[in-house]
Amino acid sequence: GESVGLHLPTLSVQEGDNSIINCAYSNSASDYFIWYKQESGKGPQFIIDIRSNMDKRQGQRVTVLLNKTVKHLSLQIAATQPGDSAVYFCAENRGDSSYKLIFGSGTRLLVRP
Amino acid sequence: NAGVTQTPKFRVLKTGQSMTLLCAQDMNHEYMYWYRQDPGMGLRLIHYSVGEGTTAKGEVPDGYNVSRLKKQNFLLGLESAAPSQTSVYFCASSYGLGTATYNEQFFGPGTRLTVL
Repeated sequence: GESVGLHLPTLSVQEGDNSIINCAYSNSASDYFIWYKQESGKGPQFIIDIRSNMDKRQGQRVTVLLNKTVKHLSLQIAATQPGDSAVYFCAENRGDSSYKLIFGSGTRLLVRP
Repeated sequence: NAGVTQTPKFRVLKTGQSMTLLCAQDMNHEYMYWYRQDPGMGLRLIHYSVGEGTTAKGEVPDGYNVSRLKKQNFLLGLESAAPSQTSVYFCASSYGLGTATYNEQFFGPGTRLTVL
């Protein structure tokens, strides 16, 4: 598959452990945030989103936390599995009704068996 | 539903050649986007469209043109390819304003373009 992000920060976790991937954003006017997962050779895939009027949102095995005070977003993956190995991107919509997403540079998650 | 599809999957061009990348979606989405992705970087928006017949510039539009003649298709053109345009290109689509999930973008599988 294609190599995406040769010099990405990497998080290595043991299978079954919980993973926490962090993202900092810069625009305090951003009102919507998304986490995407990208496997090698594929396009980004939606995981979970959160609006700025929320602090926490849970999905299946995933939780997104939003701290607007420090402009920080995190993705928690419970009981990490080998299939979770991928590059994870956060993206923000900057609240200017432009419907455009601004993507972070990504974090590579490696799951050790 | 096929979702978002892109053709071709791979292409090699020589400097100065032209080509068109095709994106198609069958979800009746209003908005469509073209991104490029380079190693160590996130996706950067090239051009986007908020409806049939409309297009707008994104972050890195230079050297590219787009057209949205039909709602389901969004074409990305390179008139005179340069080595700096070597990248992986992703198309995405989303619902329009007024829907709860208008920000969520659905991505195609990508086109890997090499310009020699």
